[in-house]
Amino acid sequence: DTGVSQDPRHKITKRGQNVTFRCDPISEHNRLYWYRQTLGQGPEFLTYFQNEAQLEKSRLLSDRFSAERPKGSFSTLEIQRTEQGDSAMYLCASRRDSYNEQFFGPGTRLTVL
Amino acid sequence: AQKITQTQPGMFVQEKEAVTLDCTYDTSDQSYGLFWYKQPSSGEMIFLIYQGSYDEQNATEGRYSLNFQKARKSANLVISASQLGDSAMYFCAMREGQRGFQKLVFGTGTRLLVSP
Repeated sequence: DTGVSQDPRHKITKRGQNVTFRCDPISEHNRLYWYRQTLGQGPEFLTYFQNEAQLEKSRLLSDRFSAERPKGSFSTLEIQRTEQGDSAMYLCASRRDSYNEQFFGPGTRLTVL
Repeated sequence: AQKITQTQPGMFVQEKEAVTLDCTYDTSDQSYGLFWYKQPSSGEMIFLIYQGSYDEQNATEGRYSLNFQKARKSANLVISASQLGDSAMYFCAMREGQRGFQKLVFGTGTRLLVSP
């Protein structure tokens, strides 16, 4: 099995710019999660997909955030009009039906200047 | 809402010794699951071990074991025979939500440093 992959690993952007991150889950995993982790904290849930359907969104996910998972394969997370408070590590995880473990990717570290 | 508490910001252990990382949880659910993840400086969260609330035996995975005390709502991670490569952040987590959905709620983590 190849693991969960994320691209890019690092992104530096200026305030007000839009950014998009990609996550490729483990191939047979139909459940996909996005989390955000700020310095000194554990990851916090952002959103969840079952196949291509986005079924859950956290209140942390403001209107500037949008996520998609076309065809139930890879997923993208877009942040519009970035703010300095968006600086964080964005983690993607996937899980297989009937299994408890979520497997995480290496994350995308976003820095907003 | 569920909550995970990790009261040890940092722990030190000498190589080859055992170490226990504390985790307590709060939930009103009868069915729940507890996880431990390791996060090295590279950032990736590595799954270590899982314990279901109905599991009668404590979970073990190699050098990792989970000391599950349901009445005390604690799920401590025990690492035996520590290695230098065990130096990392360790997060306790609980699954929340319906069985299909299952988001993870994490604690604030414990930084473990293993010295030679």
